[in-house]
Amino acid sequence: GAVVSQHPSWVICKSGTSVKIECRSLDFQATTMFWYRQFPKQSLMLMATSNEGSKATYEQGVEKDKFLINHASLTLSTLTVTSAHPEDSSFYICSAYSAGEQFFGPGTRLTVL
Amino acid sequence: QKEVEQNSGPLSVPEGAIASLNCTYSDRGSQSFFWYRQYSGKSPELIMSIYSNGDKEDGRFTAQLNKASQYVSLLIRDSQPSDSATYLCAVNRGQGGKLIFGQGTELSVKP
Repeated sequence: GAVVSQHPSWVICKSGTSVKIECRSLDFQATTMFWYRQFPKQSLMLMATSNEGSKATYEQGVEKDKFLINHASLTLSTLTVTSAHPEDSSFYICSAYSAGEQFFGPGTRLTVL
Repeated sequence: QKEVEQNSGPLSVPEGAIASLNCTYSDRGSQSFFWYRQYSGKSPELIMSIYSNGDKEDGRFTAQLNKASQYVSLLIRDSQPSDSATYLCAVNRGQGGKLIFGQGTELSVKP
């Protein structure tokens, strides 16, 4: 089956630092990947759509300069949370789109102190 | 009105019973519909996808779609404690795979 990995699975950082999260499709190519954020007891909120070789499309209210997305290849997309603050603490989940379905990564738990 | 709405939970059913989860959506142009299960602290996993009106069965799970009523449901037969999770309804409006999620319904199956 289609497998998507994320790295790291969890990260703790100090306020003001930047954190990079990687999303990889392991056994298939994905021209489109999606980044979600999920706060406790809430549903997934789509942050942005990442397309290989082009700029990401951000959802309304998501700061593109704070959440930098790079989709450098058909199997890798990265999300960088710049100058992270405690309110950015959340569960970040990526998904890769292929053949009409989204395949989700295991998620990255970010805690900003 | 939210684009995708699910019945409020938590929903509690006894082991062996049928759990019924409901979802409505606002965009008539929606084309694909998905049910995901999410355990606490984990990412969602796909249970069922449905694209045309009617029922679709997979083991203990049955998805039902009624496009005229803009309604999609998930039935879980012979519910097990391991089914206890949050169930997310998601709708694809055909925009390159973009999914809109409902708020989720928490299901608790009591032994």
